[in-house]
Amino acid sequence: IQMTQSPSTLSASVGDRVSITCRASHSVNRWLAWYQQRPGKAPNLLIYKASSLQTGVPSRFSGSGSGTEFTLTINSLQPDDFATYYCQQYSNSSVTFGQGTKVDIQ
Amino acid sequence: QVQLQESGPGLVKPSETLSLTCTVSGASISSSGYFWAWVRQPPGKGLEWIATLFYSGTTYYNPSLKSRVTISVDAAKNQFSLKLTSATAADTAVYYCARPRTIAVADDPFDVWGQGTMVTVSS
Repeated sequence: IQMTQSPSTLSASVGDRVSITCRASHSVNRWLAWYQQRPGKAPNLLIYKASSLQTGVPSRFSGSGSGTEFTLTINSLQPDDFATYYCQQYSNSSVTFGQGTKVDIQ
Repeated sequence: QVQLQESGPGLVKPSETLSLTCTVSGASISSSGYFWAWVRQPPGKGLEWIATLFYSGTTYYNPSLKSRVTISVDAAKNQFSLKLTSATAADTAVYYCARPRTIAVADDPFDVWGQGTMVTVSS
């Protein structure tokens, strides 16, 4: 299953509300996760099952969608949120990731 | 708290075998009930799942890499390993070991990651 994210890059300011879209080539039901990755660091799980917030993740992060289209929304962007975000489908044992969306400072 | 640490050569020659080990601390590979996985990331690119295994021997491989990859567990050392044969420059990447978040579920998001180790394939 191919995962396509848009946009590839997103420029925003502190306090902005931003949204990232992830589309799957086939339905993944709600088996969709989102990660944040800062430069030189391992990915950090934010959202699983499309909209469930991982323990310890701030509530300004939210996820929505089902089937083939999903959205990650960050409310009131904070300085720590400038990073690259990846979606991942896990509807079968062959998990796949999107190509990433870099959120940088406008 | 579970921690993962990758180790292995940082430089591999083309056509040789890339071998890495992940040492697990804070949990037992054999009794925790979790699966364990490898993920890689070429420089400046996205994430690619490589393989997932259970201590009992159940394995799942990325179809695009399956012919070259072997993963295994050493329960006595609380480690699991990755071998990738016939390495090429395209295998140059940061290699992460990771753990799916739910006990006994292989296809699950990864909530625990190692720090990653850079492997360069070059003569």
